[in-house]
Amino acid sequence: NFMLTQPHSVSESPGKTVTISCTRSSGSIAGNYVQWYQQRPGSSPTTVIYEDYQRPSGVPDRFSGSIDSSSNSASLTISGLKTEDEADYYCQSYDSSSWVFGGGTRLTVL
Amino acid sequence: EVQLLQSGGGLVQPGGSLRLSCTASGFTFRSYAMSWVRQAPGKGLEWVSAFSGSGGFTHYADSVKGRFTISRDNSKNTLYLQMNSLRAEDTAVYYCFVSGDSKPWGQGTLVTVSS
Repeated sequence: NFMLTQPHSVSESPGKTVTISCTRSSGSIAGNYVQWYQQRPGSSPTTVIYEDYQRPSGVPDRFSGSIDSSSNSASLTISGLKTEDEADYYCQSYDSSSWVFGGGTRLTVL
Repeated sequence: EVQLLQSGGGLVQPGGSLRLSCTASGFTFRSYAMSWVRQAPGKGLEWVSAFSGSGGFTHYADSVKGRFTISRDNSKNTLYLQMNSLRAEDTAVYYCFVSGDSKPWGQGTLVTVSS
């Protein structure tokens, strides 16, 4: 099995841009889709990015996803930060027999 | 409206069993792979098990292999997780969701394993 490594926490000011990384330990990051989930306290996770960079309807275009094969990592970028973006963010991918979540990143907007 | 409605869960003693259910509405359930994920108190998300939309393939995390069984009844649009030989470390909120898709997750159900 592989692991997905995320920073434990990031913080940024309202209106700024933040990028959360997700590095795959083995196997190609481009070989299987990456999803990103947002979880606010006390709530179920919601999808903000699926299939590497697809944005579900209702998710603002301030959220974007990308893949970098050279670093074997995925990234979630949130621009024009709002206080409502403060949440935990999880990346997720899979291989032939298992799904893996990153450890999660706590985003603080202050 | 796309919805996943969960039921089951509760307090169980170590070594006991529980069955979780997840009933889908608003989409063609049989066409989608489904998964269970759990979140221990104050911890991150941990994938538990998945069931393919077609072909009947099932997969399990090593932590639950041999103890948990995932199943689905496409005629009832329902996904199940049978949990046997429960341990204290299985205590978590369990969520169902559509694998690799953007559909809403279930509301979560708390499983507490304690004597």
